Amino acid sequence: ETGVTQSPTHLIKTRGQQVTLRCSSQSGHNTVSWYQQALGQGPQFIFQYYREEENGRGNFPPRFSGLQFPNYSSELNVNALELDDSALYLCASSLRTGADTQYFGPGTRLTVL
Amino acid sequence: GQQVMQIPQYQHVQEGEDFTTYCNSSTTLSNIQWYKQRPGGHPVFLIQLVKSGEVKKQKRLTFQFGEAKKNSSLHITATQTTDVGTYFCAGWDGGSQGNLIFGKGTKLSVKP
Repeated sequence: ETGVTQSPTHLIKTRGQQVTLRCSSQSGHNTVSWYQQALGQGPQFIFQYYREEENGRGNFPPRFSGLQFPNYSSELNVNALELDDSALYLCASSLRTGADTQYFGPGTRLTVL
Repeated sequence: GQQVMQIPQYQHVQEGEDFTTYCNSSTTLSNIQWYKQRPGGHPVFLIQLVKSGEVKKQKRLTFQFGEAKKNSSLHITATQTTDVGTYFCAGWDGGSQGNLIFGKGTKLSVKP
């Protein structure tokens, strides 16, 4: 059984740029959620995807967008990067939608300069 | 909106001492989950509580869900250095959208 994987591990961008982060869900999981974890904080829910459709969204602006592909892998896109977007971005897959047990990937550390 | 608060923010204990972290929600929860994040790592699922007043044990860890389903606690007996990390509770209000709300976590350090 393959766990959740994310790429890249680290990324440095400058303010105003765009970024795409990628996630492969655990085998057998059809639901993917994305979280933002600022230093010293808990993960904050960005959105969830199920069967290639957005299934729920947290309090994040529209410049945060996502995709889910037929193989259940997913992308998180952030446009017009701001300094406050610097954080660890975590992808989590689950067996069911809603707030089912989250299996987190190792995360992508994004630094915006 | 729904908020989940955790206390304390930090806890330093001597190896062998007990440790407890508390979680309080502003709204009634459908379920509560606990995760552990080691330094430099990612959150790892520990347990889910669903029923009012539920108590679950995992070896030295005891998890409780309050009668009103608005609070929860994690108690570790006789801490070990392997218990080091940040413990998060995460609550769901049962809405149709998967908005799991995490607390800010309790960072546990254990002195050998």
